[in-house]
Amino acid sequence: KNEVEQSPQNLTAQEGEFITINCSYSVGISALHWLQQHPGGGIVSLFMLSSGKKKHGRLIATINIQEKHSSLHITASHPRDSAVYICAVKKVGGSEKLVFGKGTKLTVNP
Amino acid sequence: NAGVTQTPKFRVLKTGQSMTLLCAQDMNHEYMYWYRQDPGMGLRLIHYSVGEGTTAKGEVPDGYNVSRLKKQNFLLGLESAAPSQTSVYFCASRAGVFWGQETQYFGPGTRLLVL
Repeated sequence: KNEVEQSPQNLTAQEGEFITINCSYSVGISALHWLQQHPGGGIVSLFMLSSGKKKHGRLIATINIQEKHSSLHITASHPRDSAVYICAVKKVGGSEKLVFGKGTKLTVNP
Repeated sequence: NAGVTQTPKFRVLKTGQSMTLLCAQDMNHEYMYWYRQDPGMGLRLIHYSVGEGTTAKGEVPDGYNVSRLKKQNFLLGLESAAPSQTSVYFCASRAGVFWGQETQYFGPGTRLLVL
C-alpha cells in the first residue's frame, strides 16, 4: 500500500468552481508539501506545512495531523489552474527522502 | 537569477551508452536532489547531496552515480544506460536544513529515452 494516497486521480471542473484535492498518508511526518506540475512539466512548490492552514492567493492548504490527512483547496478556479497537483511527505526520523503521491490531474474548463 | 537549470532537455541513448546530466543552481543552496518521474508513479529520489563534496543514495540509486564537486552543480551519470532508465529526470535544490528552508526548487526536467 502506498504511504501517500491522493484523491481523486482526475478532476474536471468548470471555471469558477471550488476545488478540493485530498491527500492521506499512513506514516508519521514532520512536514507535508503540495506541489504543482504544469502541463509543460515544470514543478513548483506551493506549500509546506506541519499543522493548521496556509493560504496563498486562491489556494488554501490544510492539514489534520491526527487524521493523517491534508487538503488543497482552490477557490474561484480558472483554466490556468489546470495542472497536476502533487502531495509529498517528509517522514519523521527519515532522511532527506520525500514520499510523493501519484498526483491529481485537474482540468478547469472555461 | 536562473534558479535551477538542467542540461540537456532531451536525449536519446542506445542501450549501453553512457551520459551525464548536469544540474546547476545559482541560489547558493546546500541541498541538491535528483529524481525520476515515471508514468503512474510518484517522483522517486535517486541520489541527493547535503553539501559540496557529499552524496548519498536515495530510493532508486542502482545504475546511477552522482558527483557534487562544486556547490552549484550536481551531476547525474548513467554508466551503461538501460531501457528501464527511460524517464523524466528532475533536479531540485533547497537552501538548508532549518524550518523554512525546506522548500525545494525544481529544474525544468530532462527527458531521456533509452532504446
